[in-house]
Amino acid sequence: KQEVTQIPAALSVPEGENLVLNCSFTDSAIYNLQWFRQDPGKGLTSLLLIQSSQREQTSGRLNASLDKSSGRSTLYIAASQPGDSATYLCAVYTSGTYKYIFGTGTRLKVLA
Amino acid sequence: DGGITQSPKYLFRKEGQNVTLSCEQNLNHDAMYWYRQDPGQGLRLIYYSQIVNDFQKGDIAEGYSVSREKKESFPLTVTSAQKNPTAFYLCASIGTGGSNEKLFFGSGTQLSVL
Repeated sequence: KQEVTQIPAALSVPEGENLVLNCSFTDSAIYNLQWFRQDPGKGLTSLLLIQSSQREQTSGRLNASLDKSSGRSTLYIAASQPGDSATYLCAVYTSGTYKYIFGTGTRLKVLA
Repeated sequence: DGGITQSPKYLFRKEGQNVTLSCEQNLNHDAMYWYRQDPGQGLRLIYYSQIVNDFQKGDIAEGYSVSREKKESFPLTVTSAQKNPTAFYLCASIGTGGSNEKLFFGSGTQLSVL
């Protein structure tokens, strides 16, 4: 059974810092992996999707990498801003299951 | 604009009552999902449907029921058998065109017990 873990659970950084969020999964037979952002009381917004054949994806200040063999993905946020404060979740679509399994998220606070 | 609409935004349930959460999408997606989110927790899968008139139980289906009579709609009923229904409920959908399809979410329904 696929299990997804995110470390750290919470993170507080000063504005301008570069930071890395971690996601690990137990079954490497994945179809793709997505990173999401969630603001309090809101739905989830997709940030980046990495297909199983890809190593990384970039969008603006965000870069996500995927290492299937080790069961790890990282989300790198460059030059963090207070507007980046939110909860970040990763989700894995395991091949043949037709469903996404989510990690518990990292709650990020960027201090002005 | 294409998207997923969940209603109501807030819902209150009395003891012994069944309540239904609505989820409608106009993205022409085949697959739809219901997740439950408790405070400070990740998302747990309740039910999912890959096609009209077919659905499967997720990890926490007990006390919930769904139907998928139309492609656009996937309502979730929280029955009186669900003893701890207070949570944030999220509906999602995805196309089945390939591994680059993204999962889209509605804005959620907060269910509380009176």
